[in-house]
Amino acid sequence: EIVLTQTPDTLSLSPGERATLSCRASQRIDTYLAWYQVRPGQAPRILIHDSSRRAPGISDRFTGSGYGTDFTLTIASVESADSAYYFCQHRGNWPPSLAFGGGTKVE
Amino acid sequence: QVTLRESGPALLRPTQTLTLTCTVSGFSLSASGMCVGWFRRSPGKALEWLGLIDWDGENIYNADVRARASISRDLSKSQVVLTLTNIDPLDTGTYLCARIGGFGHFDFWGQGTPVAVS
Repeated sequence: EIVLTQTPDTLSLSPGERATLSCRASQRIDTYLAWYQVRPGQAPRILIHDSSRRAPGISDRFTGSGYGTDFTLTIASVESADSAYYFCQHRGNWPPSLAFGGGTKVE
Repeated sequence: QVTLRESGPALLRPTQTLTLTCTVSGFSLSASGMCVGWFRRSPGKALEWLGLIDWDGENIYNADVRARASISRDLSKSQVVLTLTNIDPLDTGTYLCARIGGFGHFDFWGQGTPVAVS
């Protein structure tokens, strides 16, 4: 069973600063990792899939990177609207599995 | 256009069974690679994955709810049903469904339906 560990739990930033969020997998997962943003009262939205591919309509301030076990979501020049929880996720094909990280709160 | 819409009761009593329906459009539940997952948001957890059903009708569940959760589907109605037995006030939250469109990530989400257990 793959376990995803996100750090830090909380990230407190000022507008204009860079946010760096980490997701570590317990086993190698190539680039099969996605990132989601979860704002209060809103449906989650996909930001990044396949480690570094931005979903349609996502600002280029959001950048994903990583391969194997270590992945990073970077938010360049954070804005107040970026205050949210961010989750990483992996879907394994065989055996079928799904894993979510515990989330990072960006405030 | 892909859409998902959750529906179900808003208020239940402890020990009852919660049954929620996710009605989808714009894709087929049986198309290869398609999966629908259930999630919930609560005061204690920003997002919790509960389980999913894939295009073959196979299930995966979060270990925390595996003993109480069941996900099924009705292909003729394009619906995915979540059943959660022996509910508790800690099951209070907003329940959402979302689609995996064949590439391993959830690309479309419903807006969610609130459930209170009291």
